[in-house]
Amino acid sequence: DVKVTQSSRYLVKRTGEKVFLECVQDMDHENMFWYRQDPGLGLRLIYFSYDVKMKEKGDIPEGYSVSREKKERFSLILESASTNQTSMYLCASSPAAMNTGELFFGEGSRLTVL
Amino acid sequence: GENVEQHPSTLSVQEGDSAVIKCTYSDSASNYFPWYKQELGKRPQLIIDIRSNVGEKKDQRIAVTLNKTAKHFSLHITETQPEDSAVYFCAASIFKAAGNKLTFGGGTRVLVKP
Repeated sequence: DVKVTQSSRYLVKRTGEKVFLECVQDMDHENMFWYRQDPGLGLRLIYFSYDVKMKEKGDIPEGYSVSREKKERFSLILESASTNQTSMYLCASSPAAMNTGELFFGEGSRLTVL
Repeated sequence: GENVEQHPSTLSVQEGDSAVIKCTYSDSASNYFPWYKQELGKRPQLIIDIRSNVGEKKDQRIAVTLNKTAKHFSLHITETQPEDSAVYFCAASIFKAAGNKLTFGGGTRVLVKP
């Protein structure tokens, strides 16, 4: 059973703080993703990675960066948190396979920036 | 880039009735169309997907249809049950094994009334 674990379920931070969101998957998946989920906007892709040390921008990368030093771990970094980054952040992973496109999501990290 | 529109945003049905959710996409090159279900407080999970070489796919009470010419696809749930109450997301992508970049619709909140 695939497990994607996000380190923090709930975080409250101050404007300007640096925020780290950690995600670990245990199924040796090549691909990892960070999405943010906002009501009415669905899930929007921030960054993704298809290999260690590889990263690509998604649709809304501004204000975010990522790090993937190990295959199982993908971190999202908010260099200077702002109130408009208050959201639910979802990490996901998937295998690099042609016969499936299924994303396996973590339970989410709800970030509030005051 | 790809843009996915999803309608309706909310849907209330009587138990036993059918529910239909419709999505349109903008990029004619998109060839992979999954649907995810997110129960309250839970992570999104894949329920069915379809590739562009297929017009329809069924799995028990759920089915997805694809019209490539019109660039729209739909989710059909028959004989709805209370456990079908959830938020449903459609998505589209040009499928890649290395980092399949999904664009999601805004979501449909389905309420099945007993």
